[in-house]
Amino acid sequence: AQSVTQLDSHVSVSEGTPVLLRCNYSSSYSPSLFWYVQHPNKGLQLLLKYTSAATLVKGINGFEAEFKKSETSFHLTKPSAHMSDAAEYFCVCNTNAGKSTFGDGTTLTVKP
Amino acid sequence: GAVVSQHPSWVICKSGTSVKIECRSLDFQATTMFWYRQFPKQSLMLMATSNEGSKATYEQGVEKDKFLINHASLTLSTLTVTSAHPEDSSFYICSARAQGNQPQHFGDGTRLSIL
Repeated sequence: AQSVTQLDSHVSVSEGTPVLLRCNYSSSYSPSLFWYVQHPNKGLQLLLKYTSAATLVKGINGFEAEFKKSETSFHLTKPSAHMSDAAEYFCVCNTNAGKSTFGDGTTLTVKP
Repeated sequence: GAVVSQHPSWVICKSGTSVKIECRSLDFQATTMFWYRQFPKQSLMLMATSNEGSKATYEQGVEKDKFLINHASLTLSTLTVTSAHPEDSSFYICSARAQGNQPQHFGDGTRLSIL
């Protein structure tokens, strides 16, 4: 069975400090992994994707994530948070069959 | 690239009305489209998956006669909420995917309010 666990439902950081949003996955196959961001009353925007190429993936808006197979993790990071980063973030795992599993989401709050 | 347009963005209508929501992939061909429902402060709940030219696959508990899905072309899928009632009020989001290992690309969602 496939599952995605976002370890923190809420993360709060100060503007200019690093961001870490944690995601662990469970999959029987080599997964494709994605991070999305959702602003209020909007759809989901793709931040970055891992599809078995480089394990360190760079995305938009300064975000990056590292695929660690030994830890079954795909944590999202950003060196310096901006106020506009405040949003909901979803980690998603695809199997070879194309089934997508969503994490429950992490709400990122950025304090001035 | 990979733009998905969802229309309308906001609908308010009376109970008993049927509402159609469109989802279009503007710059790629989507072999698969997905329809989700999202409740406040929650993750997305998959309602159904549709492949072009075939019947949609509905998730358990989703009424196929209530939520009609049509995926007539590689760039368009529609969701029709038939005889909508206040409990159908929600945020509905579509997504489109080119191939199985590729990411889903999402529309901006439709806020449906049934009075």
